[in-house]
Amino acid sequence: QVQLQESGPGLVKPSETLSLTCDVSDYSISSGYNWGWIRQPPGKGLEWIGSIFKSGSAYYKPSLKSRVSILVDTSRNQFSLKLTSVTAADTAVYYCARYNNGLRHFDYWGQGTLVTVSS
Amino acid sequence: QSALTQPPSASGSPGQSVTISCTGTSSDVGGYNYVSWYQQYPGKAPKLMIYEVSKRPSGVPDRFSGSKSGNTASLTVSGLQAEDEADYYCSSYAGSDNFVVFGGGTKLTVL
Repeated sequence: QVQLQESGPGLVKPSETLSLTCDVSDYSISSGYNWGWIRQPPGKGLEWIGSIFKSGSAYYKPSLKSRVSILVDTSRNQFSLKLTSVTAADTAVYYCARYNNGLRHFDYWGQGTLVTVSS
Repeated sequence: QSALTQPPSASGSPGQSVTISCTGTSSDVGGYNYVSWYQQYPGKAPKLMIYEVSKRPSGVPDRFSGSKSGNTASLTVSGLQAEDEADYYCSSYAGSDNFVVFGGGTKLTVL
């Protein structure tokens, strides 16, 4: 059973950079599949942020593209999210998930971590 | 505003069937057979219930079924049970530009 666990600061100041890591267990991140980040503002719906392929190529939501980067660290079996110049609108629960690129869905999800943007 | 449109709420009595719609465009739902549905309980992570429009992952009850017609996909829950009360989100592949889009979610209430 693949397990994913998000980690990172729960509080980020406006204009600073949000950084999160997703640790993957019971599956080698370099074996296949792709990986992604999804967020959910309090009381609202899911929003795809971006996905990274095994090849290292990444796709980002167009409206976030200028502020987002997703990287994979195969030596640590983890991938990361960086979101720059954050505002209160970036306050959300952030989920990492495994993406089945062949069948186009997220099959395993982390439990999520709340990140609040506030001074 | 979400890319895919879902009704905010749906409800049914135990044992009944309820259908949740998910409307997109020819660039997402209508253009690909890659619609998926997720169930989310409050404070929990989403769980995959349907993929490729109508396929169920192992362990998902066959009371859950999916379909698609044109730009609209649907999730039907038959024989409603109290445990089905949750939020449901649809998602679709949207090509190499937008890649993944979600619906705004539907809160299913079992009366």
